[in-house]
Amino acid sequence: ELKVEQNPLFLSMQEGKNYTIYCNYSTTSDRLYWYRQDPGKSLESLFVLLSNGAVKQEGRLMASLDTKARLSTLHITAAVHDLSATYFCAVDKPNFGNEKLTFGTGTRLTIIP
Amino acid sequence: GAVVSQHPSRVICKSGTSVKIECRSLDFQATTMFWYRQFPKQSLMLMATSNEGSKATYEQGVEKDKFLINHASLTLSTLTVTSAHPEDSSFYICSARRRGLSGNTIYFGEGSWLTVV
Repeated sequence: ELKVEQNPLFLSMQEGKNYTIYCNYSTTSDRLYWYRQDPGKSLESLFVLLSNGAVKQEGRLMASLDTKARLSTLHITAAVHDLSATYFCAVDKPNFGNEKLTFGTGTRLTIIP
Repeated sequence: GAVVSQHPSRVICKSGTSVKIECRSLDFQATTMFWYRQFPKQSLMLMATSNEGSKATYEQGVEKDKFLINHASLTLSTLTVTSAHPEDSSFYICSARRRGLSGNTIYFGEGSWLTVV
């Protein structure tokens, strides 16, 4: 059974600081996704990582993937209040690219002014 | 704009009644859609895979007779919660896979809040 774990579960950080969210998964996977969820809303796609060593950046967020370690990171640079949200990673079950996603536990990020 | 639309966004129903949630792909055909459930402050749990023209595939522990899924067309899947109980109150989210030459893309609907009173 595929398991996806994130840490930390909760994160409070000051504006302007840097931090990293970690996503570990238990079995080989084709791809890894990062999503953002605001309270009461659905998911917003942030990144799709398709191969070992993949790195993608958008604004203050940067995601990377190490398939050998089964680890992905979401790095936040110089955090701003607008980044407060819950972040999920999700892993595609190894089923020939069938996007049957298993989600991580989520990291609730609060940026403090 | 949204490429996967859910309706209704919020619904309140009485215990024992049934409620239907629709998931539509707006500008592409989706042979496969997925239904997730999310309880407050928890992660998303996959309930079932909806397959156009065939029976849905349910995840372990999900009652197929309680959560009826119909994928009658390439752009519409419906989830019907039958004989709803307060513990069914949750946020239900669908997703659809859009096939492309450079790979597949997953789109999520806006979600539907169900409250059973």
